[in-house]
Amino acid sequence: EVELLESGGGLVQPGGSLRLSCAGSGFTLSNYATSWVRQAPGKGLEWVSVISGGGGSTYYADSVKGRFTISRDSSKNTLYMQMNSLRADDTAVYYCAKDRTGGPAGVYDYWGQGTLVTVSS
Amino acid sequence: SSELTQDPAVSVALGQTVRITCQGDSLGSYYATWYQQKPGQAPVLVIYGENNRPSGIPDRFSGSSSGNTASLTITGAQAEDEADYYCNSRDNSGNHVVFGGGTKLTVL
Repeated sequence: EVELLESGGGLVQPGGSLRLSCAGSGFTLSNYATSWVRQAPGKGLEWVSVISGGGGSTYYADSVKGRFTISRDSSKNTLYMQMNSLRADDTAVYYCAKDRTGGPAGVYDYWGQGTLVTVSS
Repeated sequence: SSELTQDPAVSVALGQTVRITCQGDSLGSYYATWYQQKPGQAPVLVIYGENNRPSGIPDRFSGSSSGNTASLTITGAQAEDEADYYCNSRDNSGNHVVFGGGTKLTVL
């Protein structure tokens, strides 16, 4: 059974850093595109970043480019998101999501339960 | 960057048919994907590709598209279908993904 389990969320001050993790099970994470999608309180879904299957090309939303870095550790079957220079508008539930294919198609057949990141002083 | 536009709210009487739409330039090149999200839960994939349902999604859910508009149709809406529905697709670059703003479906 495919599962995704996020961790690493919490309260951080503006300008601070946080690293999110997403442990995958039941599938080989490096064979599929995997993404981070966030949802601010009471708002809609926002795509954040993707790492493609295979070669691991990475892409970012303009709102986080230069501040966030997506990566994966194949030996641990785990996806990461290093978040630096955090701002109040980064406050959201962050979901990791597995794509059905290796490319960044945005067809997410499995989602984690989400981890809340709160940026506040 | 590309944008996808959805009506913020739609309502349907129990057992009737409802169509939720998603408009955007990227839909002329890429299929829309549809997700259902209930309060406090992660989104669930309901329609992808031309009109494909993952295992476990009832056949009352279907998808279609015409030009730059994609539609999710629920034929015979049930009380449990009350939720937020989001569309997404690749953007015009092909490497990014864009979500619509979501449609809150109320089943009366």
